[in-house]
Amino acid sequence: DIQMTQSPSSLSASIGDRVTITCRASQDIRNAIAWFQQKPGKAPNLLIYAVSKLQSGVPSRFSGSGSGTDYTLTINSLQPEDFATYYCQHYYNNPRTFGQGTKVEVK
Amino acid sequence: QVRLQESGPGLVKPSGTLSLTCAVSGVSIGGTDWWTWVRQSPRNGLEWIGQVYHSGSTDYNPSLRSRVTISVDKSKSQFSLKLTSVTAADTAIYYCARDVGGAPDPWGQGILVTVSS
Repeated sequence: DIQMTQSPSSLSASIGDRVTITCRASQDIRNAIAWFQQKPGKAPNLLIYAVSKLQSGVPSRFSGSGSGTDYTLTINSLQPEDFATYYCQHYYNNPRTFGQGTKVEVK
Repeated sequence: QVRLQESGPGLVKPSGTLSLTCAVSGVSIGGTDWWTWVRQSPRNGLEWIGQVYHSGSTDYNPSLRSRVTISVDKSKSQFSLKLTSVTAADTAIYYCARDVGGAPDPWGQGILVTVSS
């Protein structure tokens, strides 16, 4: 199985901050990566797929980048509704696997 | 608007079989998408269980393959999950989702299944 290692596991940030979350795959996943946001008691919500493609309805302050084994989710100008847990997931092959999550908390 | 809704027992006895159904609306289950089950627990985080195509083709997580069956019923626009020989380690929130080119979207609201006697 491909292991997805996310960092950091948590971070504290303020409204307006730029936040960066990274995900490292245990092998090249050829850009087959998605990012999700999850709020307490809710299902994960797809933000980005194929490294940098924004899902419909997702604000443009979210962006993704990377290649090979290293990928990044960036939130520009953090908003109150962005405090949540974020997960990466590869879909290069089966089984798809997820990162362990990054919790973005209020500083 | 595509919607998915999980249903089934919230409590299953150890060594029993977990059976869940996902009702799909707003899109044809017989289209080009795969249909996926994912579970989430504090112990294992998010775990991909497997997926089914409308033809009945399936892919399973090797870690669960010996115990899992995912099937589809096009006439009812639903797909199902069966997990046998459950233990406390199978206690989790179970989500169904549409797989759009690899990324699950959207997800159902999830259903908590507890394995306990």
